Amino acid sequence: KQEVTQIPAALSVPEGENLVLNCSFTDSAIYNLQWFRQDPGKGLTSLLLIQSSQREQTSGRLNASLDKSSGRSTLYIAASQPGDSATYLCAVGGFNKFYFGSGTKLNVKP
Amino acid sequence: DAGITQSPRYKITETGRQVTLMCHQTWSHSYMFWYRQDLGHGLRLIYYSAAADITDKGEVPDGYVVSRSKTENFPLTLESATRSQTSVYFCASSDSGKQETQYFGPGTRLLVL
Repeated sequence: KQEVTQIPAALSVPEGENLVLNCSFTDSAIYNLQWFRQDPGKGLTSLLLIQSSQREQTSGRLNASLDKSSGRSTLYIAASQPGDSATYLCAVGGFNKFYFGSGTKLNVKP
Repeated sequence: DAGITQSPRYKITETGRQVTLMCHQTWSHSYMFWYRQDLGHGLRLIYYSAAADITDKGEVPDGYVVSRSKTENFPLTLESATRSQTSVYFCASSDSGKQETQYFGPGTRLLVL
């Protein structure tokens, strides 16, 4: 069974810092990996989707990388802003299923 | 409204009662999913459906029943609610079994007393 771990569970940084969120998974036979954002009391919003054949994806200030052989992905957020405060979840895609990590709760202080 | 909607958004029920959570999507996506989110467990897949009349179990299916008679609807029923089913339930949809982007509904917060 695929196990997905996110470290740290929580992170607090001052505005403007660049930061990295980590995601690790135990089974490298994946179709893709997806990063989501979840605001309190809300659903999940997809940020980036990396197919298994890709190494990274970029969207604005976000960059996600994927290293299947080591079972790791990172989400890089450049020049963080208070509006980035949320919980970030990674999800590893198997056939017909996603396996989610427990998330990293990010607080960006003004 | 376009997108994926869930109803009710909040529900309080008692142990032993039957509860149905509704999910509706307007994209005609083939795949639909039900997850539950609990502190310390992240999101766990309950059931999924690849198309109308095709459903399959996820990681935590016990105590739940699903059906999918129409592509756009995917209701989740708790046949006899238990306190351990208190959770936030999310419905999601996707256009492909190869797991293209999943789109999530806003969630239903369920409290079982």
